[in-house]
Formats: sequence, structure tokens, C-alpha cells
Amino acid sequence: GESVGLHLPTLSVQEGDNSIINCAYSNSASDYFIWYKQESGKGPQFIIDIRSNMDKRQGQRVTVLLNKTVKHLSLQIAATQPGDSAVYFCAENIGWGGSYIPTFGRGTSLIVHP
Amino acid sequence: KAGVTQTPRYLIKTRGQQVTLSCSPISGHRSVSWYQQTPGQGLQFLFEYFSETQRNKGNFPGRFSGRQFSNSRSEMNVSTLELGDSALYLCASSLEQQSGELFFGEGSRLTVL
Repeated sequence: GESVGLHLPTLSVQEGDNSIINCAYSNSASDYFIWYKQESGKGPQFIIDIRSNMDKRQGQRVTVLLNKTVKHLSLQIAATQPGDSAVYFCAENIGWGGSYIPTFGRGTSLIVHP
Repeated sequence: KAGVTQTPRYLIKTRGQQVTLSCSPISGHRSVSWYQQTPGQGLQFLFEYFSETQRNKGNFPGRFSGRQFSNSRSEMNVSTLELGDSALYLCASSLEQQSGELFFGEGSRLTVL
């Protein structure tokens, strides 16, 4: 498959472990955040989002935490599975002209060992 | 429901040439945005179209352009190709304005020799 990024931070975990992927964002005016997952050879896929008026949001096996004080976002994946192996991107969104312009982080490569 | 379709999936060009990439959004989606993905710069926003109008543009030179048709299909064009334009070009669609939930295609892999 294709590598979507060289020298990406990498997180290696064992199947069944919990994974935590971190992201620092830059703009304090960002008010909407999204996590995307990109598998090799595919486009990014939406996982979960959170607005700035929240500090936690849960989905199926995933939880996003937002700390606006330190401009930090994290994605927690419970009971990680081999199918979770991918590159994970956070995106901060700033409202502009009626729409949002996303700024993507560099990504973290998650490797799940069976 | 068919996903976002991008063509061609792979192409090779030489410096100085121009290229046109095509994107068909999910049926009913009116917003189409384009991104460039490279190992060095990651995912970068190129531009967004909504109802045939370019609504936002990223920080790319004028060699990068695009358009959207009345059926929401979109094309992007890169003229006078440079080696540094080699990248994966991703198209994403969303239902209305550029909302958080973007639906990406699998991309067009451009190699400039």
C-alpha cells in the first residue's frame, strides 16, 4: 500500500489494548474539530467530531477529548483491533465566509499487532 | 449510495505539462473541496466549490484552478506542472456548506517527471 506520510509519529499497540492518539492545534479561534482515519490507498474517513463548547464526546469504541486551555485534542480507541491500523489525522476548523476551512495535522500512524 | 469518485486514479506527467482531475461527489452533495496530500506537507486545502462558485481558496499559486458544474461535479487543473506538484489529490464532498463530515474519494495520484 501507499505511505501517506514519511517520518510520521507512530504508535504501536497490541490488539485489545486501548490507544491514545494526541494532537496539538494552533489556532485558539478554531471552534470545530474532527478526527479522520486514512487507510493505505484510501481517502480519509470521518471518525468523530467535537465542537469547542464540549470537552468530551463518545462514539462507538472512540472518545475524543478537547482541552482548549492547552489547545490539545486526543482520540482514544478502546480495544484496538488490527483493522484500526491506519494514519489518524486531527483537523481544526475555523469558520470562514459561511463555511469551515480545515487545517489538518500531520497525522499519526497507528500499528496494531495481533 | 455511490461514494466520491475521482478520475484518473493514477497519472504521470512531465514538467511543463498541464493536468485535469475530475471528481464526482456523492449524489445530493453540493459542496466539493480539493486537497493536496504529500509526505512533506501533509493534507493541504486547495479550494472549495459550492453551487458552481469558488467559496474558499487555500494558499496555492494561480497554476492551481478548479471549477464546478451544475451537476456538482468538479474538476481541478494544474498548469505548467512542477516536480513538487507530485502528490495525491483528494476530493471531498459534503451535503451543504463545507461541514465537518467530509466524504473523501480515493484520490488521484499525480507523478511529475
